[in-house]
Amino acid sequence: NAGVTQTPKFQVLKTGQSMTLQCAQDMNHNSMYWYRQDPGMGLRLIYYSASEGTTDKGEVPNGYNVSRLNKREFSLRLESAAPSQTSVYFCASRGSLAFETQYFGPGTRLLVL
Amino acid sequence: QKEVEQNSGPLSVPEGAIASLNCTYSDRVSQSFFWYRQYSGKSPELIMSIYSNGDKEDGRFTAQLNKASQYVSLLIRDSQPSDSATYLCAVKNQGGKLIFGQGTELSVKP
Repeated sequence: NAGVTQTPKFQVLKTGQSMTLQCAQDMNHNSMYWYRQDPGMGLRLIYYSASEGTTDKGEVPNGYNVSRLNKREFSLRLESAAPSQTSVYFCASRGSLAFETQYFGPGTRLLVL
Repeated sequence: QKEVEQNSGPLSVPEGAIASLNCTYSDRVSQSFFWYRQYSGKSPELIMSIYSNGDKEDGRFTAQLNKASQYVSLLIRDSQPSDSATYLCAVKNQGGKLIFGQGTELSVKP
């Protein structure tokens, strides 16, 4: 049971380049989330998917798009990277029970030059 | 006012002491509260959850919830250097989303 996996672990981009961050979970969870974490800012929700086929904006969605490919996979795309998107990105998933919490992947460290 | 607030620290305690971490939240109807531990360069991991007023103990950790005061805390007894990490408070809001505080950095000195 791998839990939540993310690729890549680390990426350097130039301003204007695009990339997709991949996330997969093997816990049969319905809900999946993308967060970014910046120093002093805590975790901020970018997008989430409550179930396969649905996605919704979180607190900081600008500059990002997401795809819920199937129940296991939830990807985050940066179409035109900006230095302000330099951050650590975490994917998380959660089961359906009301009191369940989220389980996080190992994170992707992104540097945009 | 932020939805979930924590002192950013750092909080420094000697080994063997009690570390007390505090969190306040603004959404009065919140029902679920969580404490995550995050080591430097790692992802957050759940250490405690609490849903009703009072104390909940798990080993050296005790979570305390006071919904009237909109306050949740985490006590770590017999603190160890391995407890040195950032502790994130998270509150599930009315919309079902998990809102995180900015985290409190804890340093346990040998």
